[in-house]
Formats: sequence, structure tokens, C-alpha cells
Amino acid sequence: AQSVTQLGSHVSVSEGALVLLRCNYSSSVPPYLFWYVQYPNQGLQLLLKYTTGATLVKGINGFEAEFKKSETSFHLTKPSAHMSDAAEYFCAASWTSGSRLTFGEGTQLTVNP
Amino acid sequence: NAGVTQTPKFQVLKTGQSMTLQCAQDMNHNSMYWYRQDPGMGLRLIYYSASEGTTDKGEVPNGYNVSRLNKREFSLRLESAAPSQTSVYFCASSPGSGNQPQHFGDGTRLSIL
Repeated sequence: AQSVTQLGSHVSVSEGALVLLRCNYSSSVPPYLFWYVQYPNQGLQLLLKYTTGATLVKGINGFEAEFKKSETSFHLTKPSAHMSDAAEYFCAASWTSGSRLTFGEGTQLTVNP
Repeated sequence: NAGVTQTPKFQVLKTGQSMTLQCAQDMNHNSMYWYRQDPGMGLRLIYYSASEGTTDKGEVPNGYNVSRLNKREFSLRLESAAPSQTSVYFCASSPGSGNQPQHFGDGTRLSIL
């Protein structure tokens, strides 16, 4: 079955440090890919989505993701973490034309002062 | 600019009781979805409706029923609640094509005693 895997359920960084959250998908056919963020007691907000043909996708709040077909990966990065980035991040993929999403397990990001 | 609205926000039920979670979207989207979120498991699709008049099972449909009342509204019913259904439930909507992101409500936090 097609799946999405996020390596690391918890990631902790210092304020100002690089943020790297990992996402891999399980298919040789690239799906549509998304990153969502969830702040406490809220729903999911779209950070960015993969655009066919692009390798680097820019999103909101300074986040970007790099698509590597050879590694079936779509890792999320931010050069300098801010306290307000503390949240849970979900990678999601759609292999169907009807936009059904398969989610990764989520990564809880903690930003230390 | 409401987006996706879920009611209620919180609910406590006793085992065996029934209830309906309501969801409405004002973005004229074709597709709507119900997910449950449990710690360490990401979001799992319960049911979805690709278009008005159609519904399909997702990954974890047992114990749930849905109704796509019209294009705006998609409800989720628990006929006989069980403690295993304690979770946070999210409704989402999308235009319906694979590369279009889903938009999420703020969730319903449901506890079954």
C-alpha cells in the first residue's frame, strides 16, 4: 500500500537553528505532496504544496521543501527557527485524481530559547 | 470568511450513546472528508464524499456513518459510541482534483466514557 513516512516523531531545535523535518513516500510514481502545520487545539493549515516539475517549493512563514524523486523524499526546511514555529507538522500525499490524502504520523517540533 | 465549520467543538458521551458531528463549508468545494486524529497515528480517513450525492469508505469506517446532506454539509454519525472512538475528529473540504489542498475545520474533541 502507498504510504507516507515521517522520520522522527519529535524534533527539538534551538531558536535560530536550522529546521529539517523529513518525509518519504512509498511509490515510484510521485504523488501530489503537501506539508501542513497544526498549532495546539487548531485544525491543519497548509504550509506548501508540491508543484510538478519543481525541485524547491516555497511556502508560508519561511518554510520550503525540496522534492527529490530519486530518494522519494519531500523534506521540509527553514533556515532559522522561531519560537512561533513550535507545532506539529504533517506531510501528506495524494495518489488519486480525487485528492484523497494519506498522512504521515506527524512530527512535533519544539523550539528552545 | 468561515471556511470549514465544525460543531460541536467538544463532547463527552457515555458508551452506547449516539451523536452526529456536523460540518459545513462555504467555499463551494465538491469534495468533503472526515478524519480522526490519534496520538502518533497522524490523521486517518474515516469517510469521504467526492461529490454531492456520493460517499465512500476510507481507512477506518467501522462504527461510523455519514450523510452528504447537500454540497455544503457533510455529517458524521456514531450510532453506538465506544471508548475506542475517543479522538479528535476533523472535517475537510477541497475542490476535488488531486493537486488541490484540503481545507480543515478546527476539530471536534470527543470523549467516550
